[in-house]
Amino acid sequence: GAGVSQSPSNKVTEKGKDVELRCDPISGHTALYWYRQSLGQGLEFLIYFQGNSAPDKSGLPSDRFSAERTGGSVSTLTIQRTQQEDSAVYLCASSLPWDYGYTFGSGTRLTVV
Amino acid sequence: DQQVKQNSPSLSVQEGRISILNCDYTNSMFDYFLWYKKYPAEGPTFLISISSIKDKNEDGRFTVFLNKSAKHLSLHIVPSQPGDSAVYFCAASPFTGTASKLTFGTGTRLQVTL
Repeated sequence: GAGVSQSPSNKVTEKGKDVELRCDPISGHTALYWYRQSLGQGLEFLIYFQGNSAPDKSGLPSDRFSAERTGGSVSTLTIQRTQQEDSAVYLCASSLPWDYGYTFGSGTRLTVV
Repeated sequence: DQQVKQNSPSLSVQEGRISILNCDYTNSMFDYFLWYKKYPAEGPTFLISISSIKDKNEDGRFTVFLNKSAKHLSLHIVPSQPGDSAVYFCAASPFTGTASKLTFGTGTRLQVTL
């Protein structure tokens, strides 16, 4: 596609429920990243994919968070048993393997009530 | 541990003047630096980058300066325009030849006034 597409754009969920956030990267971009931005904070790294493998998942805050990527394309970030502190904007980005200038999607705003 | 710091949360500049946004880093392994611009309800957009082998990189109205010994970089916007009003993030990474995670600062909100 023309850009990085994320869905849903907004998600309100009850504490304790599971959520799935989807990212559709730019076609041909083998590198894919998930970040999150909490209110008033910078961008916090979560996980990085190169193809379907995740060489760096050091930013996942707990084992409630997981992510997968299939076919070297679409990625899903899953948060189990959501907590209020999970409320944030979750941003996905993609790039060519040598390009540090990522292209970001518009994000998913997650609100846990 | 904040490895990339943007100590000014906000900056206001008159249209036509120079905007200077600052960024400090602590990790000596960082040798590739980028600036991103973010408008509300949009994802960040890549603006300009610099490698540690350089001390300056220009792209139109935007210039990034790097002082490795001080672990400091700055973004200069000349002349500033109202459309430049946005949040600016500094980011850094070790340069490995393969794109990997960036460490971001907390951002500086720039407002360009008429």
